[in-house]
Amino acid sequence: EDKVVQSPLSLVVHEGDTVTLNCSYEVTNFRSLLWYKQEKKAPTFLFMLTSSGIEKKSGRLSSILDKKELFSILNITATQTGDSAVYLCAVQTQGGSEKLVFGKGTKLTVNP
Amino acid sequence: DAGITQSPRHKVTETGTPVTLRCHQTENHRYMYWYRQDPGHGLRLIHYSYGVKDTDKGEVSDGYSVSRSKTEDFLLTLESATSSQTSVYFCAIRGGSETQYFGPGTRLLVL
Repeated sequence: EDKVVQSPLSLVVHEGDTVTLNCSYEVTNFRSLLWYKQEKKAPTFLFMLTSSGIEKKSGRLSSILDKKELFSILNITATQTGDSAVYLCAVQTQGGSEKLVFGKGTKLTVNP
Repeated sequence: DAGITQSPRHKVTETGTPVTLRCHQTENHRYMYWYRQDPGHGLRLIHYSYGVKDTDKGEVSDGYSVSRSKTEDFLLTLESATSSQTSVYFCAIRGGSETQYFGPGTRLLVL
């Protein structure tokens, strides 16, 4: 059975801190790994990673994939209160439908 | 927002009644998906479609059926709603770069 595990499940930090969110996976027919941000509404897309060792970056957020060790990390530097959200990791499998298997998410709270 | 709308956005219904949720897209995407999101479970795939009249089951399909008679519309039906189907339902499309984009969601409460 395909599985995606995120850690920690929740995290509370102060503004300005740097955080690292973890995502490990066990799936057959891996195609890509995606990160989403969810703030009390629909998940919004952050990154898609397909190759090991290549960092994707967008502003203060960055992510990298390790296909040998089957994990990804999402880094957020200089956190702001607007970063408070649930961060979802999902793995896309090959095989026609390209279904997503989601982890349970990491709830990040950034306090002023 | 990838041109996805869902209706209704909120619904309260009673156990045993049929319920249909609609997902509408404006960008002619082939793949469409229905997920439910529950505390402690994350997002789970219910059904998906890979074309008009082409659908398949996901991880939690029991109690749900779907139909896709037009490219732009993907309907999710709860034939006889149960309290365990109280959830937030998200529709998604597979867009460019094979990334899935989500609709705004429907909050369903089954009493």
